[in-house]
Amino acid sequence: AQTVTQSQPEMSVQEAETVTLSCTYDTSENNYYLFWYKQPPSRQMILVIRQEAYKQQNATENRFSVNFQKAAKSFSLKISDSQLGDTAMYFCALRNNNDMRFGAGTRLTVKP
Amino acid sequence: GAGVSQSPSNKVTEKGKDVELRCDPISGHTALYWYRQRLGQGLEFLIYFQGNSAPDKSGLPSDRFSAERTGESVSTLTIQRTQQEDSAVYLCASSLDRTKVETQYFGPGTRLLVL
Repeated sequence: AQTVTQSQPEMSVQEAETVTLSCTYDTSENNYYLFWYKQPPSRQMILVIRQEAYKQQNATENRFSVNFQKAAKSFSLKISDSQLGDTAMYFCALRNNNDMRFGAGTRLTVKP
Repeated sequence: GAGVSQSPSNKVTEKGKDVELRCDPISGHTALYWYRQRLGQGLEFLIYFQGNSAPDKSGLPSDRFSAERTGESVSTLTIQRTQQEDSAVYLCASSLDRTKVETQYFGPGTRLLVL
């Protein structure tokens, strides 16, 4: 069975600073995909970034980047220059074929 | 439409009543997923549709839950004889699912409250 673990229920960061959200996972598959989704109070799930497991290069999307450590089964999200609008729940997810698993989420608060 | 839409956005019902939730996926997306999100928790997979294939119902929590999808269009999730424990946000997502690399795009969800 595939599992996704987010060990930080809540985090906070000062505006303009950098924060890293942790995610570890477990799967027996070699080919899979990892995602970070953001869920603001509006509850709409928004894709932040995704990573294909076969790619060694870490994915980057503007202020968002990941540190993908395949051997350690770790997939952390780094948010640089944090903005007030980044305040939301962040979910890490693992997908292999039809099986999609989400972590329990990390509530991030960006403080002014 | 531009994105996945769901209706109603909020639903309040009495225990024992049946409810029907609707999802309109992005046009052209062959895959459709339903998830349940209880307050303060992550997403639980419920059911997955892929084209005309038999749906993957492995996440449905009980036989009170069922879902249908006509072709590659609208899907409805039905909960019969609702219980208070069914209170949650029900999220729908769709994806192209052509290469299995696809990203899921989520709707805004339906918040269900069972009194």
